[in-house]
Order: sequence, then C-alpha cells, then structure tokens
Amino acid sequence: SQLAEENPWALSVHEGESVTVNCSYKTSITALQWYRQKSGEGPAQLILIRSNEREKRNGRLRATLDTSSQSSSLSITATRCEDTAVYFCAASSSFSKLVFGQGTSLSVVP
Amino acid sequence: DMKVTQMPRYLIKRMGENVLLECGQDMSHETMYWYRQDPGLGLQLIYISYDVDSNSEGDIPKGYRVSRKKREHFSLILDSAKTNQTSVYFCASSLSGSSGNTLYFGEGSRLIVV
Repeated sequence: SQLAEENPWALSVHEGESVTVNCSYKTSITALQWYRQKSGEGPAQLILIRSNEREKRNGRLRATLDTSSQSSSLSITATRCEDTAVYFCAASSSFSKLVFGQGTSLSVVP
Repeated sequence: DMKVTQMPRYLIKRMGENVLLECGQDMSHETMYWYRQDPGLGLQLIYISYDVDSNSEGDIPKGYRVSRKKREHFSLILDSAKTNQTSVYFCASSLSGSSGNTLYFGEGSRLIVV
C-alpha cells in the first residue's frame, strides 16, 4: 500500500481558475514535499513543509499540512497553461526513505 | 549550476543485453538515487547511495545493481535486461540522506527492452 497518495487522479481546469490537489499519508512524517513533473522532464520540488508547519507559500502555490488527519493540500491560484503537469506529494519519516505518491495529472486549458 | 545529468536519454536494447545508465551531479551532494517510473505506479526507488561505495537497496532492487566510485557519479547497471525493465529511469541527488531534504532530478533515461 502507498505511504502517500494524491487525489483526484486527474483534473482539468480553465486558465485563471484555482485548483487544489490533496494528499493523504499513512504514518507519522517529518516532512512532506510537493513536486511537479512536466511532460518529458524530471520532477522538480515546489514546496517542502515540515511536520511542525501548517502552511507554506511559494508564489501562486500554497501548501497546507494537517498532521491530525494525516493530509496535505496543494493549491494553485490563477492557473496558467504551463501549470499543466503531474503533481506528486512525497512523505518522509524518520524510519523510511522519501516515498512518492502516484501523482495527480492536472490539465490547464485555455 | 545545479544540475543532474543523465546519459543516455534514450536507449533500445535487446532482451539479455547489458545496460548501463549513467548519472552525474555538480552539487557535491552526498546522496544519490535511482528511481523508475511506470504509468500508474509513480516513482519507485531502486537504489540509494549515501556516498562513495555506500549503497543500499530501495524498494525494487531485483535485477539491478549500482556503482558509485566518485561522489558526483552514480551508475545503474542492468545485467541481462528483461522486457519488464522497459521504463523511464530517473536519477536524483540530495544534500544528504536525512529526511526532509530536497531531491534534484535529472531529465530521465527512457529504456526500451525488446
């Protein structure tokens, strides 16, 4: 079973709209990271949020972390076509290596 | 320049042939990784290297071996490639193996085994 899992599996929004990707994880973590992977490229980190943090921002991106429900979310405001990508959450704990979820495929259409 | 470079980017091999995938990083990172990515399965960790000649199995090491003789270079070797090893392979590096470190990924090596 997956240590980290994103949902939904896929979604599509129109340019300019906001969108949220959710992540659930199954154990006590030290940090949760969000990565973005565009077609033909390797993943690139967007945000790292540690277990003692509740929210982190990076430009149009906002990540939240709720350790009580073992969940995280990544919100993107004012989406652009270039935000089209697969978004992964990755959980790390003191006893396991970083584990990636299966990803959410986001399409931003004009 | 912070970069992870993978070679080759594309490779077609026949079943039973040996495969060498190479990865380099210019950040003096201690830790390097090899992942494979298949549709619907996300990124699966094959091997992790904590430094020169300090390698550990990941979640799916069977059929693979690695070599790290210099800190900046990490190789993935498939001895006698199988068709089920057709995949996209990603190398990554991080400052250390501690949890919460950022991973920097290469652009991937697409391997097809026929």
